[in-house]
Amino acid sequence: DAGVIQSPRHEVTEMGQEVTLRCKPISGHDYLFWYRQTMMRGLELLIYFNNNVPIDDSGMPEDRFSAKMPNASFSTLKIQPSEPRDSAVYFCASSARRDTQYFGPGTRLTVL
Amino acid sequence: DAKTTQPTSMDCAEGRAANLPCNHSTISGNEYVYWYRQIHSQGPQYIIHGLKNNETNEMASLIITEDRKSSTLILPHATLRDTAVYYCIVRVTGSQGNLIFGKGTKLSVKP
Repeated sequence: DAGVIQSPRHEVTEMGQEVTLRCKPISGHDYLFWYRQTMMRGLELLIYFNNNVPIDDSGMPEDRFSAKMPNASFSTLKIQPSEPRDSAVYFCASSARRDTQYFGPGTRLTVL
Repeated sequence: DAKTTQPTSMDCAEGRAANLPCNHSTISGNEYVYWYRQIHSQGPQYIIHGLKNNETNEMASLIITEDRKSSTLILPHATLRDTAVYYCIVRVTGSQGNLIFGKGTKLSVKP
């Protein structure tokens, strides 16, 4: 298995632009998680899905952030409009059980 | 989920065993101890987890004290590639709780 796949690996954009991060979970996993990691706040859970349904989005910082999972093999995290404070590494993880999560390589986002 | 306490950093000589401690004195009876690690610029990687018995897999061993208030992750023969931040997490397995990553222990394996 290729593991969790994320794209792009790096994204540089300007403030106000829309950013879309993509994730392909491991086949057969029914849980998908989006995390954000910064030096100041560490690794934080933003949202997670079970069977393509959002279960807990309490970690989503504000309405500028949205996440979708249209099918079992694809999810997106969108930021619109982006701000410099959104600069971080965004990780996607998937799990067949909620305890053992497998993380992707991350997307490093820089908002100028 | 119970809170964990880990040393900020540790050093280990290459080829020697690395013993990473974790205190979780408020752990509940149904909470497991999980270990993940994060190598620089990569996503976190699951290592091992356990409830009260010692556990071993191809990556590491987990030793949990009898009162379950602390545990030790053991990397039997550390290599330079084991240099990473190691996170000890306590949670109820299969629960609606989420993985809460603290600051972890920065392990530096030196030649």
